[in-house]
Amino acid sequence: DGGITQSPKYLFRKEGQNVTLSCEQNLNHDAMYWYRQDPGQGLRLIYYSQIVNDFQKGDIAEGYSVSREKKESFPLTVTSAQKNPTAFYLCASSIVSGRASYEQFFGPGTRLTVL
Amino acid sequence: GIQVEQSPPDLILQEGANSTLRCNFSDSVNNLQWFHQNPWGQLINLFYIPSGTKQNGRLSATTVATERYSLLYISSSQTTDSGVYFCAVGRSGNTPLVFGKGTRLSVIA
Repeated sequence: DGGITQSPKYLFRKEGQNVTLSCEQNLNHDAMYWYRQDPGQGLRLIYYSQIVNDFQKGDIAEGYSVSREKKESFPLTVTSAQKNPTAFYLCASSIVSGRASYEQFFGPGTRLTVL
Repeated sequence: GIQVEQSPPDLILQEGANSTLRCNFSDSVNNLQWFHQNPWGQLINLFYIPSGTKQNGRLSATTVATERYSLLYISSSQTTDSGVYFCAVGRSGNTPLVFGKGTRLSVIA
């Protein structure tokens, strides 16, 4: 079954802790993305990566970090520097081929709550 | 950056009614997608439609790229159509999507 998996589904964090959200895809997609959704809002871009070992900041990267050591994996770390981390986090992926545009597909999301 | 506006923000329908959701965007795009977010938060891909018209069952979509808008039509609505519908656009290549704030649809029996 091809798709995007995210874990855990729910995550609780104490203030001051770093946590890492997992995103894995077996679609052989080159590009991967992290978005954040707050209640009643659309999605906002945190980081994205179009190739292994390379990634770019999105609109709200402060307090987050990522790595892309493998094509199929793009973990997101929410650091203690992120002032308001409680949100729903969605990972996505897509094909990359020149300047053509391709459809993005999303994982099921991780709901992070800071206690 | 590119702006995406969706209307209406909220919509309540009787089961069986038809509806039209609109997405306006502020610049040229080469990616436009419509999603349905279910109650569990999963984003379901409805249409990849940077231009033209597509149909899938009771749903259809039209994008007029030269006039910078897209429309999503839902016919004979069902309670399972309830949720939030998002429009998202991309400028070029595989740039990340920019999302609108969504239209929250409630279909009542």
